[in-house]
Amino acid sequence: DTEVTQTPKHLVMGMTNKKSLKCEQHMGHRAMYWYKQKAKKPPELMFVYSYEKLSINESVPSRFSPECPNSSLLNLHLHALQPEDSALYLCASSQLQYTGELFFGEGSRLTVL
Amino acid sequence: DQQVKQNSPSLSVQEGRISILNCDYTNSMFDYFLWYKKYPAEGPTFLISISSIKDKNEDGRFTVFLNKSAKHLSLHIVPSQPGDSAVYFCAASARNYGGSQGNLIFGKGTKLSVKP
Repeated sequence: DTEVTQTPKHLVMGMTNKKSLKCEQHMGHRAMYWYKQKAKKPPELMFVYSYEKLSINESVPSRFSPECPNSSLLNLHLHALQPEDSALYLCASSQLQYTGELFFGEGSRLTVL
Repeated sequence: DQQVKQNSPSLSVQEGRISILNCDYTNSMFDYFLWYKKYPAEGPTFLISISSIKDKNEDGRFTVFLNKSAKHLSLHIVPSQPGDSAVYFCAASARNYGGSQGNLIFGKGTKLSVKP
């Protein structure tokens, strides 16, 4: 199994809603990542978890709250988002942080109204 | 300030010919470089990588060349096939330095179209 599975694929939410994005991998990878990608832009790193601990937070606003319940799961909790937060949110995993290539999920397309 | 630059937003090539995608970087600490391919509505897929101790890495139809003195790398696809049509992202990291430097920095991507 070389898949990273993200749900939901599409999400529309209002600025006062609370929602979550979910990511799952069963490759035994110990590093998991959230990236944000806007149209015609490269993926931008948001968070890195290594061995279920938050390793990197790239100065992301607190309205985005990551959570790593176990080594296979990564969540991104969303609250009080702004329309400019509309983007494709990509989850990725790698064997370890800083080693090897990242395996990406298909992404969750988020629209904030 | 972009640390990884892909200056060609798009490239069109005839089937069977060579596709050459270019990437420049500015951070001399980068020591690991990767190419990803992305189809619409899918996440990026790893294609090929190269460490800074090498200047060439080959995998089937795909070859990556690294010129450290010029801070330039290129991806060659020979022969190009219509199924290669996708957006190609160049990425780099400073693995041996760890911390934020060790994370992948992506270029903006080049959209490759291979015409039958």
